[in-house]
Amino acid sequence: DAKTTQPPSMDCAEGRAANLPCNHSTISGNEYVYWYRQIHSQGPQYIIHGLKNNETNEMASLIITEDRKSSTLILPHATLRDTAVYYCIVRVARETSGSRLTFGEGTQLTVNP
Amino acid sequence: DSGVTQTPKHLITATGQRVTLRCSPRSGDLSVYWYQQSLDQGLQFLIQYYNGEERAKGNILERFSAQQFPDLHSELNLSSLELGDSALYFCASSPDGVWEQYFGPGTRLTVT
Repeated sequence: DAKTTQPPSMDCAEGRAANLPCNHSTISGNEYVYWYRQIHSQGPQYIIHGLKNNETNEMASLIITEDRKSSTLILPHATLRDTAVYYCIVRVARETSGSRLTFGEGTQLTVNP
Repeated sequence: DSGVTQTPKHLITATGQRVTLRCSPRSGDLSVYWYQQSLDQGLQFLIQYYNGEERAKGNILERFSAQQFPDLHSELNLSSLELGDSALYFCASSPDGVWEQYFGPGTRLTVT
C-alpha cells in the first residue's frame, strides 16, 4: 500500500470548514484513498473513501486531485466533537472482504470555540 | 455505536500472565480484525479472520493468538505478558463486499 504524508496537527475554528490534506504521491491506479478518525482513545471511525472522483457523504467531502497524488478531507462546518486524529490511508481494494488498514501518524485536528 | 462489542473494557494483570480479549462483530459481518494501539507504535494490525479462518497476519507476536468461532465472535489470547504489551486492543469487523471497517470501543490492557 502507498505511503501517505499528513501534517501532524491543525487547528480550526468552530463552525468553519476544516480542510485536512494528505499526500500520496506513490499511489497506484487501483488504490483507494480512505479516511478514518479517532476521537481520543475511542475506536477509529470510518469517514469516507474514493478512487478518483470527488465524494461526499453526511460527514465530509473528499477531494482527490486529478493526478491522484494528493487529497483533501473537508469537514464543512467543524464542531468541537470533530476534534480527533484523522488518518488518511491508501489501500488496494480487494474482491474478497476486507484487508488490513495501515495507519500512519495522522493529523490531530483541534476545533476551537 | 458501531455495533461491535468488546469485553472487558479494562484489564489489569501482572507480567507473565495470560488474558483473553473478546470481540463480537456486527450482525452478519464475517470478517474480524484485531489491532493494537500503544503509545510508541501507534495503531498496528495484528490479524484478520474471515468466517472462522485466518485470512491475514500482521505484526502479531508468537505469544499472541486468535480464533474466530462458528458464531463469528473472536477471541485474542495474549500470554506470557510483558510490560510492553500494555496497550489498547481494538477489534473491527466488516461485511462482504464492503471495505470499511467498523471498530469496537477497545480493551485497555495494563500489565504491571
